[in-house]
Amino acid sequence: DTGVSQNPRHKITKRGQNVTFRCDPISEHNRLYWYRQTLGQGPEFLTYFQNEAQLEKSRLLSDRFSAERPKGSFSTLEIQRTEQGDSAMYLCASSSPTLNSGANVLTFGAGSRLTVL
Amino acid sequence: AQKITQTQPGMFVQEKEAVTLDCTYDTSDQSYGLFWYKQPSSGEMIFLIYQGSYDEQNATEGRYSLNFQKARKSANLVISASQLGDSAMYFCAMREANAGNMLTFGGGTRLMVKP
Repeated sequence: DTGVSQNPRHKITKRGQNVTFRCDPISEHNRLYWYRQTLGQGPEFLTYFQNEAQLEKSRLLSDRFSAERPKGSFSTLEIQRTEQGDSAMYLCASSSPTLNSGANVLTFGAGSRLTVL
Repeated sequence: AQKITQTQPGMFVQEKEAVTLDCTYDTSDQSYGLFWYKQPSSGEMIFLIYQGSYDEQNATEGRYSLNFQKARKSANLVISASQLGDSAMYFCAMREANAGNMLTFGGGTRLMVKP
C-alpha cells in the first residue's frame, strides 16, 4: 500500500461547472477525512466518514459541496456550480484509531488542486 | 478566539542548528491531542509528532521534540540539527475529545534552512 491517493492532482474548470475529486485511502484505515486548504492557510476540516457512514458534515462549506463513500473504501468530493472562491487544495486523509494507540494519526494524500476560472 | 495560534509566519535557521516553532492552543477540554505536520512544496502533509494531553513526558521522534507546557497551553516544536530538507511549512494541530475526530490546524510557519 503506497498511502493515500488523490485524483486528479490538478483540475482547472470554468465557473459554474461541476467537479469531482476521488480519494483512495490506506486500505486498512476505516476513517476518511476531507479538508480544504487555501493559499497561505492551514487545512480546514470539511467532513469525515467512518466506514461508509458520514459522521460529520456540518462543516461542508455550502450545499454545493457533497461527499460520498459508498462502500467504505474510496470517497468522492463533489462541488457543484463552482465559484472562483472554491479555488483551493482539497486534501484527503485516512486513519485507523486502533493502529495508533489513541493518537489516531491522520495520513494525508498529496491533494487535488482546483482552479476555477 | 483562535483555537491554534502560530505567531511566526516565517523563520530562518542555519543548517545544523536547532530551531523552535511556536504553537499555542485554546481549549476547555481536559482530553485533547496535539500534532505537528510538515508540508513541503509538493503539498503532502507529513505527520511528525504527537502529544496527548495526559502524557507526562514531552514527545520525541528522532530530531523532533515537542516542548509541551500544559499550563501555558503551548506545544512548541523543536527541530535539532536542521537540514536543508527541513525547509517547508509546519502546521500545529489539535484534536479535542468533544469535537469528534476533527483536527483544527494553525496558520502554519514557513521554515527556511540556510546552507
